[in-house]
Amino acid sequence: EAQVTQNPRYLITVTGKKLTVTCSQNMNHEYMSWYRQDPGLGLRQIYYSMNVEVTDKGDVPEGYKVSRKEKRNFPLILESPSPNQTSLYFCATRSGGPYNEQFFGPGTRLTVL
Amino acid sequence: QKEVEQNSGPLSVPEGAIASLNCTYSDRGSQSFFWYRQYSGKSPELIMSIYSNGDKEDGRFTAQLNKASQYVSLLIRDSQPSDSATYLCAVNKGYSGPGASKIIFGSGTRLSIRP
Repeated sequence: EAQVTQNPRYLITVTGKKLTVTCSQNMNHEYMSWYRQDPGLGLRQIYYSMNVEVTDKGDVPEGYKVSRKEKRNFPLILESPSPNQTSLYFCATRSGGPYNEQFFGPGTRLTVL
Repeated sequence: QKEVEQNSGPLSVPEGAIASLNCTYSDRGSQSFFWYRQYSGKSPELIMSIYSNGDKEDGRFTAQLNKASQYVSLLIRDSQPSDSATYLCAVNKGYSGPGASKIIFGSGTRLSIRP
């Protein structure tokens, strides 16, 4: 079954404690990205990756890092989380070609105290 | 002006009726268009993609695209309570330089199907 998985699904942490949210896909898609979704602000792209070792900033990259060492994995790293990073996070993958269809993971609800 | 605009709703439709959701976009070079359904606290689920002018039907869903008017819509026939969700319109702007093409999301329309 084609799927995008994220872990953890829920996380409560404290300010400054480094965390990683993992994302994995089995669809062999080259393009992966991370979004955050906040009430009234919609989906905002944090980072994206066009292929292994190729990453670039999205619209709201501050406070986040990513890496793409393998095609299937695209972890999101918060080196020093702050309360304004409390949000619902989605990993997404996209099929290739000009009509890219994008598929989302189940989401990670993060609370930073 | 937002790049992808949707009425935030809520749009209330009686069960069994047709729900009509609308979206406009600003970039004439946009190539592909998507509708996602999102239940509260869940991830967006792709329900329709459309690339050419006209209508595309899939079950109870019909997507309509008019590139000249920069308008895309989603019709849901025989609306069911389970259709109550937020519907996100998304537009692929196409390649405009180095990097990947960008998908822009609207802020979503809340749809409520009343029994």
